Amino acid sequence: AQRVTQPEKLLSVFKGAPVELKCNYSYSGSPELFWYVQYSRQRLQLLLRHISRESIKGFTADLNKGETSFHLKKPFAQEEDSAMYYCALSGVYGNKLVFGAGTILRVKS
Amino acid sequence: GAGVSQSPRYKVAKRGQDVALRCDPISGHVSLFWYQQALGQGPEFLTYFQNEAQLDKSGLPSDRFFAERPEGSVSTLKIQRTQQEDSAVYLCASSLVVRMTSNYGYTFGSGTRLTVV
Repeated sequence: AQRVTQPEKLLSVFKGAPVELKCNYSYSGSPELFWYVQYSRQRLQLLLRHISRESIKGFTADLNKGETSFHLKKPFAQEEDSAMYYCALSGVYGNKLVFGAGTILRVKS
Repeated sequence: GAGVSQSPRYKVAKRGQDVALRCDPISGHVSLFWYQQALGQGPEFLTYFQNEAQLDKSGLPSDRFFAERPEGSVSTLKIQRTQQEDSAVYLCASSLVVRMTSNYGYTFGSGTRLTVV
């Protein structure tokens, strides 16, 4: 079965501190992994995907197939990073996403 | 329009009432998805359209849920005889391409918050 687990409901850090939002997944094949973000009063939007190996707004995420993880990291948190973050997966030939429950990131000044 | 538009933004329904939720995708987008997001949870897949064809409805929780996209553009999600457990935010998303794992992602709407009382 496909499953995405985000163990933390809330992560609170100070501005300038490193951030790591955890994501573990369960999937029998080769999944595509994504991070979506929802800022206050805004729509859900794509932050980054593992196949692009990109850094968006200073965030990076590495797919670790051995640990079945796709943790989101940023070396120095900024107040504008405060939002709800969802990890999601899809099968390579699939076209639907399985989301985790989400983690609220609060960056304090 | 510039984005995915959903209406109404809020809907309060009495238990047993039928409701219809509308989604206007971005013009020209082939794929359209419906997700249900219960309070404190991530979105859960309901159904998928490629143009007017409903190719996957495996996520619809019961036969009270019905979705259509007759002309391959606007879609309607209908819930018959609503129950309290149907209370959730219903999200619509569209994509230019079939495979969402391409360089094109989903564009989500703002959602319809349904409250069944």
